[in-house]
Amino acid sequence: GAGVSQSPSNKVTEKGKDVELRCDPISGHTALYWYRQRLGQGLEFLIYFQGNSAPDKSGLPSDRFSAERTGESVSTLTIQRTQQEDSAVYLCASSTRDRKNSPLHFGNGTRLTVT
Amino acid sequence: LAKTTQPISMDSYEGQEVNITCSHNNIATNDYITWYQQFPSQGPRFIIQGYKTKVTNEVASLFIPADRKSSTLSLPRVSLSDTAVYYCLVGSTGGGNKLTFGTGTQLKVEL
Repeated sequence: GAGVSQSPSNKVTEKGKDVELRCDPISGHTALYWYRQRLGQGLEFLIYFQGNSAPDKSGLPSDRFSAERTGESVSTLTIQRTQQEDSAVYLCASSTRDRKNSPLHFGNGTRLTVT
Repeated sequence: LAKTTQPISMDSYEGQEVNITCSHNNIATNDYITWYQQFPSQGPRFIIQGYKTKVTNEVASLFIPADRKSSTLSLPRVSLSDTAVYYCLVGSTGGGNKLTFGTGTQLKVEL
């Protein structure tokens, strides 16, 4: 079946501009995660959505970052007034809630370059 | 949240068995141990998962001692295509927990 889809795959933007990244999770997956991965680094947790519950935003690095998700569907990550340090790959993952050990399914990410 | 510690890098040769150990001293009762593999320009992908003892699938084995404070991913007879970063993740998705990855282990396989 279809996996997690992210768009765009690459985004180049000028410093100070706003960007919006999109994630389409696997159908039926109630949990959705956003991670940031800088070049050569590990995955940095940003935000977590679970169904209609309030999201866990504890990983968002600043108030320039925000994310939305409507129900159990598409999510968008918005970065306002981008800075060069925002350059990274932004990864989205989804999982089911039918069992405690449901693995994460990742998209291939959006590579963001801020010039 | 359980913190994980892995070696930053490992080198091996084709045909050898590779064992990557992850420490997770404060693992919780409900936590599972999951390993992911990441190739360049791709998202991580699931390899294997366990709760205790030993788990084996078509690509790897996972050894977990009784105290569950560590786990070892075993890759039999590695090939060049196994060159990747391997992440150990400890947590539980069913309860809606935030899942935090460690820094991962860069495995390099040579001829």
